[in-house]
Amino acid sequence: GAGVSQSPSNKVTEKGKDVELRCDPISGHTALYWYRQSLGQGLEFLIYFQGNSAPDKSGLPSDRFSAERTGGSVSTLTIQRTQQEDSAVYLCASSLNEREFAGELFFGEGSRLTVL
Amino acid sequence: AQKITQTQPGMFVQEKEAVTLDCTYDTSDQSYGLFWYKQPSSGEMIFLIYQGSYDEQNATEGRYSLNFQKARKSANLVISASQLGDSAMYFCAMRGRGGAGGTSYGKLTFGQGTILTVHP
Repeated sequence: GAGVSQSPSNKVTEKGKDVELRCDPISGHTALYWYRQSLGQGLEFLIYFQGNSAPDKSGLPSDRFSAERTGGSVSTLTIQRTQQEDSAVYLCASSLNEREFAGELFFGEGSRLTVL
Repeated sequence: AQKITQTQPGMFVQEKEAVTLDCTYDTSDQSYGLFWYKQPSSGEMIFLIYQGSYDEQNATEGRYSLNFQKARKSANLVISASQLGDSAMYFCAMRGRGGAGGTSYGKLTFGQGTILTVHP
């Protein structure tokens, strides 16, 4: 497809397990973002990859969270030893134009994580 | 650091009337961009409108316009002729310079959102 693709769309896991969430951005988009959205809340920034620059990891809530982006394309967000407060929708977005502020973000449909 | 404030948790409007959703921001950057996104109950994020900090004209996109007051650091969204399909969560967001020395473009920071309900 032409849009941002995220998988899985839904994930239910037990507390303490590790989970991996995948994001496949729009082809050619150099920037990739991960956000977290709890029910009825705003978007919480997690991490931002921009081209070949070092990622901005300032939003990762703890060292249980990590993300990588391989080959400047697909990204994986990993949550280790999941906790119930990790339950949320994890949104991935990508954008093309990194030379101006106007680079619109295109969002995926999100991965809904439920930690029991 | 950047901060976006949306002070209206919820707004109600009658169909066909105009509504203004408030957004104020705080940044030390001289150059920045302001965005509005819509999130219906389906959860998808829909880009609505963009305003650059040095744009002299207020941005407009169809029924959406952005009332940009730089000195007051406000970027309110105006929706004219509201429709039932406008009922959704609306987010204001901004990005400025990021990285050491401000040489790169930073992350997009979102406000907490405003839930708009359009009544028939």
